[in-house]
Amino acid sequence: AQSVTQLDSHVSVSEGTPVLLRCNYSSSYSPSLFWYVQHPNKGLQLLLKYTSAATLVKGINGFEAEFKKSETSFHLTKPSAHMSDAAEYFCVVSDTGGFKTIFGAGTRLFVKA
Amino acid sequence: GAGVSQTPSNKVTEKGKYVELRCDPISGHTALYWYRQSLGQGPEFLIYFQGTGAADDSGLPNDRFFAVRPEGSVSTLKIQRTERGDSAVYLCASSPPGQGKDTQYFGPGTRLTVL
Repeated sequence: AQSVTQLDSHVSVSEGTPVLLRCNYSSSYSPSLFWYVQHPNKGLQLLLKYTSAATLVKGINGFEAEFKKSETSFHLTKPSAHMSDAAEYFCVVSDTGGFKTIFGAGTRLFVKA
Repeated sequence: GAGVSQTPSNKVTEKGKYVELRCDPISGHTALYWYRQSLGQGPEFLIYFQGTGAADDSGLPNDRFFAVRPEGSVSTLKIQRTERGDSAVYLCASSPPGQGKDTQYFGPGTRLTVL
């Protein structure tokens, strides 16, 4: 069975400081992992995805995530937060070759000026 | 180009009524997904179509929920005898051929409110 846990429901950072959004997963098979962002009143947008290639994945808007199998983690990071990064972020897991995707509960990122 | 569109954007109905929610995927996308997002939660998988057939409907919560995609393009999610607990944002996503779940493009959602 697959599951995903986002360890923080809310994260608050100051503009220009690093961002860390934590995600742990559980999967019986080799997983595919994703991060999506949801801005208010906008659709979900894919930030980045891991599908068994390089363990460090670079996405859009300066975000990246590292797949760590030993820790079953896929944390999202960004070196320097921007006000426009304020949004809801979802970590997603899916078994490779399967179709069902499991979303985490989300982490709301606040960016202070 | 045009993205995934969903209509209506908002739907208010009374308990016990029947509703239909429509999804227009991106042209040429063969895979289509429905999700339900309750307040404060992440999207919950409902059903996946590959072409006209439902390849995985394991996420449909009960037999009041049904979805069709008769021509392999537009899909309709149908909810019978709505309950207050059905209130949520219903999201649709589509994927290009060969990319499946790895590349899902989401629509803006339909907000369903059951009074």
